Amino acid sequence: DADVTQTPRNRITKTGKRIMLECSQTKGHDRMYWYRQDPGLGLQLIYYSFDVKDINKGEISDGYSVSRQAQAKFSLSLESAIPNQTALYFCATSDRTKPGETQYFGPGTRLLVL
Amino acid sequence: DAKTTQPPSMDCAEGRAANLPCNHSTISGNEYVYWYRQIHSQGPQYIIHGLKNNETNEMASLIITEDRKSSTLILPHATLRDTAVYYCIVRAASYNQGGKLIFGQGTELSVKP
Repeated sequence: DADVTQTPRNRITKTGKRIMLECSQTKGHDRMYWYRQDPGLGLQLIYYSFDVKDINKGEISDGYSVSRQAQAKFSLSLESAIPNQTALYFCATSDRTKPGETQYFGPGTRLLVL
Repeated sequence: DAKTTQPPSMDCAEGRAANLPCNHSTISGNEYVYWYRQIHSQGPQYIIHGLKNNETNEMASLIITEDRKSSTLILPHATLRDTAVYYCIVRAASYNQGGKLIFGQGTELSVKP
């Protein structure tokens, strides 16, 4: 969905480095999410944020941190990258006022940790 | 959230209707049925969702059985660009109700010329 953008789209980094993945949305949604996807598997929830002051851990938050700088921006940081964090990372947004609260996904960031 | 069961793969001829089944026999009364698809490592794309009634939009139709224990996603005229993994997800309306979006293995649909 073009209303949800992620930067960078591809990133190669080394073990131990700190990196940040960024997500921006123009949909005006209040809720934002970070997922990771390993090859051949479904998506796993890392963190989610209901609004700027409400951030929650998902299923696999260890080794990650997030920052909700504004309603439209939600960043994911890997404090000290390790090879098993090599994965596809997706950001998503949703509007809590809409019935069913559909989540809309960004194009993803492909991360390789050497 | 209720568990879903989908066939791992299906084929469909281009131009024909693709009917993708999903079983969700433990679905609760407040849980929606969602369909997403993912085309080769792109971001999951929302297709359609429903609670009890059948739904139709510009992409697809969703048929939910009266007992809500199963559903079928219908792509009326499949094209090669519809080749993707299709995920059927059952979840409550929002996170406040525990409505996490849990992706299973999905159905890999191959549309062939």
